[in-house]
Amino acid sequence: TQLLEQSPQFLSIQEGENLTVYCNSSSVFSSLQWYRQEPGEGPVLLVTVVTGGEVKKLKRLTFQFGDARKDSSLHITAAQPGDTGLYLCAGAGGGGSNYKLTFGKGTLLTVNP
Amino acid sequence: ETGVTQTPRHLVMGMTNKKSLKCEQHLGHNAMYWYKQSAKKPLELMFVYSLEERVENNSVPSRFSPECPNSSHLFLHLHTLQPEDSALYLCASSQRTDQPQHFGDGTRLSIL
Repeated sequence: TQLLEQSPQFLSIQEGENLTVYCNSSSVFSSLQWYRQEPGEGPVLLVTVVTGGEVKKLKRLTFQFGDARKDSSLHITAAQPGDTGLYLCAGAGGGGSNYKLTFGKGTLLTVNP
Repeated sequence: ETGVTQTPRHLVMGMTNKKSLKCEQHLGHNAMYWYKQSAKKPLELMFVYSLEERVENNSVPSRFSPECPNSSHLFLHLHTLQPEDSALYLCASSQRTDQPQHFGDGTRLSIL
């Protein structure tokens, strides 16, 4: 069974602070996706990383895929209340199926004004 | 963009009831998915349809029965559910099964 461990599980910070959340696995994935889910809504795709060592930036969010394609991190600079939500990572390519996404449990981020 | 629409948004049913969840996408996608999201557990893939054919049935109990009449619609028929089936049921779609998925806002299901 492939597992994606996300840490921390909960994070509460003040507006303007920086933070990093992690997504780790012992398995190799062909790609890794990050989603944000707000209360009462479904997950929304933020980014897909494919190449080991790849770094992608989305405004104040920086995503990195580990060299071995087993782990990833999401760094947020100068967090804002609008960043509040559940951040999910999902690995694709598990079990030889490209569509099979293995999800972590998520990091619940609260940014206080 | 109308995206992926799920109805109803909330459903409360008894264990002996029969109900159906509906998912509709107007993105022109060819693959659709059902997921279960429970508290303190990762999102669990239940079913995958590609070009209206089921390609994955992830060891889901038979009390959940999916139906995909066309590439735009996906149903999840429910009968004789158990309290542990209470969860958020999410539908997703993608252009192909190896493309990123777009999620609906889910149906919050409560079994009494």
